[in-house]
Amino acid sequence: QKEVEQNSGPLSVPEGAIASLNCTYSDRGSQSFFWYRQYSGKSPELIMFIYSNGDKEDGRFTAQLNKASQYVSLLIRDSQPSDSATYLCAGDMDSSYKLIFGSGTRLLVRP
Amino acid sequence: NAGVMQNPRHLVRRRGQEARLRCSPMKGHSHVYWYRQLPEEGLKFMVYLQKENIIDESGMPKERFSAEFPKEGPSILRIQQVVRGDSAAYFCASSPVVQPTEAFFGQGTRLTVV
Repeated sequence: QKEVEQNSGPLSVPEGAIASLNCTYSDRGSQSFFWYRQYSGKSPELIMFIYSNGDKEDGRFTAQLNKASQYVSLLIRDSQPSDSATYLCAGDMDSSYKLIFGSGTRLLVRP
Repeated sequence: NAGVMQNPRHLVRRRGQEARLRCSPMKGHSHVYWYRQLPEEGLKFMVYLQKENIIDESGMPKERFSAEFPKEGPSILRIQQVVRGDSAAYFCASSPVVQPTEAFFGQGTRLTVV
């Protein structure tokens, strides 16, 4: 069964620190990976996606992909209390439309 | 341009009743996806529909669950004879093309079976 694994957390970091969120996946055929942010009781919101090995930066966010190790990460620089949420990692393992989600990592940024 | 609209936001059903969840995609979006999220878990794919067609229902239980996306009107996810284990948040997403980066999620319907 194709899976995406995440540590459920919570990951607690002080305001201004770098938050590092990690994800591993089981299917070597996966092409693209997505990071969603979900506030409690709200809908998932796409933050970033990555499909090439290496780093991809967008503002305070950096996504990293290592296909050899089947590992994806999201770095959040200068963390803010408003970044406190659950972060979901997802991969398009079966098709271009079906995403396989991890169970999410809860991030808590302490003021 | 309104986002993906789901209603109701909260739905309470007694065991054995039917639950009907609605999803109106964003304007110009003809692709609809339904996901289910159990408490403390990630989203699980249920079904992918285009107008009047079910493309992939591999994630939907064979019994009691059905989905449709008619030519006119919202997409409907129907759960017959609900059981306690159906209690979850049901999210709908829509996109103009088959591309996850172009898909937007609705606010979800939280179903509670009592």
